[in-house]
Amino acid sequence: DARVTQTPRHKVTEMGQEVTMRCQPILGHNTVFWYRQTMMQGLELLAYFRNRAPLDDSGMPKDRFSAEMPDATLATLKIQPSEPRDSAVYFCASGIVETQYFGPGTRLLVL
Amino acid sequence: ELKVEQNPLFLSMQEGKNYTIYCNYSTTSDRLYWYRQDPGKSLESLFVLLSNGAVKQEGRLMASLDTKARLSTLHITAAVHDLSATYFCAVLKNFGNEKLTFGTGTRLTIIP
Repeated sequence: DARVTQTPRHKVTEMGQEVTMRCQPILGHNTVFWYRQTMMQGLELLAYFRNRAPLDDSGMPKDRFSAEMPDATLATLKIQPSEPRDSAVYFCASGIVETQYFGPGTRLLVL
Repeated sequence: ELKVEQNPLFLSMQEGKNYTIYCNYSTTSDRLYWYRQDPGKSLESLFVLLSNGAVKQEGRLMASLDTKARLSTLHITAAVHDLSATYFCAVLKNFGNEKLTFGTGTRLTIIP
């Protein structure tokens, strides 16, 4: 049963620290997405890749967030430095053709 | 800018009843998705609606798409407790660009 995996599942950190979230997309999927979910803003698309190339990161605060896909089996989302307003659940999704499949999420709390 | 609105935001209904969740979107699109999210969990894909008039059914859930009205509905028939979750619709902005814009979600609670 192919699934998107994300690590860590939970992260508590202090303001100013670097946070790195990792995602392993489903093998064979050619698109990868990073979303952020909060109560106030709902689900927001941060960035997405097709065939490992970044296509759109307009939803991402550029000064502190970065997203990369060093190879087809790994996508990363980094926050440096982290701030309390970054506290959220970050989902990775991978897709092919019409449908996106979501990972379990990383629940981030920045104190 | 594409806007996707769902209503109601909250829905509490009794088991056995029927109800409909509505999803309106602001610009032309021919692809609409429905997802389910259980509390503290990830999003699960329910339906992909690809064309005007598309109707898909799975168990007690049926989704339809009217692209002319820019409206999709998710109909629940004879609700059961297991259907309690938050339901999201999402719209593909345009072909060749796989960005989805999500609605606000409808939190559905089924009361015994």
